[in-house]
Amino acid sequence: AQTVTQSQPEMSVQEAETVTLSCTYDTSESDYYLFWYKQPPSRQMILVIRQEAYKQQNATENRFSVNFQKAAKSFSLKISDSQLGDAAMYFCAYGSEYGNKLVFGAGTILRVKS
Amino acid sequence: GAGVSQSPSNKVTEKGKDVELRCDPISGHTALYWYRQSLGQGLEFLIYFQGNSAPDKSGLPSDRFSAERTGGSVSTLTIQRTQQEDSAVYLCASSLWLAGQETQYFGPGTRLLVL
Repeated sequence: AQTVTQSQPEMSVQEAETVTLSCTYDTSESDYYLFWYKQPPSRQMILVIRQEAYKQQNATENRFSVNFQKAAKSFSLKISDSQLGDAAMYFCAYGSEYGNKLVFGAGTILRVKS
Repeated sequence: GAGVSQSPSNKVTEKGKDVELRCDPISGHTALYWYRQSLGQGLEFLIYFQGNSAPDKSGLPSDRFSAERTGGSVSTLTIQRTQQEDSAVYLCASSLWLAGQETQYFGPGTRLLVL
């Protein structure tokens, strides 16, 4: 069974600075998908970024980018130029190539200081 | 277009009562998922529907939990004889299912409190 580990329960960053959230996972599959979701206090889970394991290029979405290290089974999220609106719980998730359930990490609370 | 909607937003019930939680997926999405999020925790998979296939019920924690999906669209999650440990946020998600793992889009969840 796949597992996802987020080792940072909480992180803080100064507004306009950069922060990196860590995620590691365990799987025996060779093709899979990885996701970062953001959950603000409103509870709405919002997709931040998605990475296909067969792609070597790291995904980017504006201020958000990932460092995907397949051999190390690591998938970190970098947030550049942090904004107050980035404050939320961030979840790393694993999706099998067979397209069923996502396996989530425990989450990292990100606090942004002004 | 409209996203995934869930109702009610909040539900308070007494121990032993039955509750029904509703999910309206994004129009055209063939896959529908239910997850449970206990306080301060990550999401735990409950059940998955894909088209007309038999649902994957492997995540349901007990036989008090059941779900159905009518007409390939709306889904209802039913919890019978609720217990205090059932208190959580119940999240629904939907996705297309073309090939591989399509992105799941989540609703705002139903917060269930069992007294």
